[in-house]
Amino acid sequence: NAGVMQNPRHLVRRRGQEARLRCSPMKGHSHVYWYRQLPEEGLKFMVYLQKENIIDESGMPKERFSAEFPKEGPSILRIQQVVRGDSAAYFCASSPPSFQETQYFGPGTRLLVL
Amino acid sequence: AQSVSQHNHHVILSEAASLELGCNYSYGGTVNLFWYVQYPGQHLQLLLKYFSGDPLVKGIKGFEAEFIKSKFSFNLRKPSVQWSDTAEYFCAVNAGRGSTLGRLYFGRGTQLTVWP
Repeated sequence: NAGVMQNPRHLVRRRGQEARLRCSPMKGHSHVYWYRQLPEEGLKFMVYLQKENIIDESGMPKERFSAEFPKEGPSILRIQQVVRGDSAAYFCASSPPSFQETQYFGPGTRLLVL
Repeated sequence: AQSVSQHNHHVILSEAASLELGCNYSYGGTVNLFWYVQYPGQHLQLLLKYFSGDPLVKGIKGFEAEFIKSKFSFNLRKPSVQWSDTAEYFCAVNAGRGSTLGRLYFGRGTQLTVWP
């Protein structure tokens, strides 16, 4: 049973470019969460999605960031016009359709903005 | 807003020493509690979790944690650490209900280094 998959594992972008981070949840999981980890900090919640629905995006910056989880395919976290402060590790987690279920994490995408 | 505090940022122990990592949270309602571990170069893995019932929870690799509701704490323990326990440990809390359902709040993490 494959775990949560994220790609790419490492991503380098120059300021102003776009970054697209992908997350494929575990089989049977319909809930996806994105978290960001800045250096020397814990993981911070960004967004919670179900298939074709954004449930909670209160942790997302208001500008430049967006997320989707289409009916088919992986969840995408998109960062437009990246800035150096976006450099961080971005983790995706998935869970089955119950709020009491454990979230299982992917390996993360390390984004570096030059 | 909820917050999670891990008081020790870096702990250094010798093999066979006992371990206790502190975790406190600020939320007055029903909570679900987790400890995750991140070994070097790997992703976060679940060590143990508490949803309800016996407040002493046993996890993988000999770890356990005790939920003390009156102290808002969920400390992680292991009686005898091994070199292979070297990793970063994260405490996380999830509100049992309400608008933040689903969201995990994480502590900053504790880096454990075990010397052989």
